[in-house]
Amino acid sequence: EAGVAQSPRYKIIEKRQSVAFWCNPISGHATLYWYQQILGQGPKLLIQFQNNGVVDDSQLPKDRFSAERLKGVDSTLKIQPAKLEDSAVYLCASSLNWFTETQYFGPGTRLLVL
Amino acid sequence: AQSVAQPEDQVNVAEGNPLTVKCTYSVSGNPYLFWYVQYPNRGLQFLLKYITGDNLVKGSYGFEAEFNKSQTSFHLKKPSALVSDSALYFCAVREGKSGGGADGLTFGKGTHLIIQP
Repeated sequence: EAGVAQSPRYKIIEKRQSVAFWCNPISGHATLYWYQQILGQGPKLLIQFQNNGVVDDSQLPKDRFSAERLKGVDSTLKIQPAKLEDSAVYLCASSLNWFTETQYFGPGTRLLVL
Repeated sequence: AQSVAQPEDQVNVAEGNPLTVKCTYSVSGNPYLFWYVQYPNRGLQFLLKYITGDNLVKGSYGFEAEFNKSQTSFHLKKPSALVSDSALYFCAVREGKSGGGADGLTFGKGTHLIIQP
């Protein structure tokens, strides 16, 4: 079974530029999560989707971050405009549904904002 | 609000010795507890989880964890450490509840485990 796929793996941009990350969850997984992991910290949830609907985006900085999950499969996370403090690893995770409880993580996208 | 504490930034263990990585949690309601491992430039790999039932949970690569409700702890253990166990370990919690809704994990800050040959 293929795991969670993410791209790109690395991205370097200048502040005030925009950037987008892509995630393809494990096939059949209804729930998708985006986490932000700043160096030296544990991952922090940004947004949770159930199919193509948002379940929780309470920690998403909505003035600059946006996310969508069209057709309930792939998802895109966008930052516009980026700030220096957005430098982090962005992790995508998926689970079969909320009953299953286990979240499986992708390799992450490492973002550096200069 | 839920939280996780991993009191040790780093744990050093000699190869072949038993290891323990500590985790305490705070959550309203029943806790669902998880351990993940992260290798350099890799995502998080699931090790084990406690949902309900036996307090001793067995997981991947010979790891196990003991749920202690009275001490609100979920320490990760392994009887005999390997050099290849060296990595960053994260404990995570969410509130167990029936029905749908938000179930994002709250993570600790992580513990570096270093196994010395």
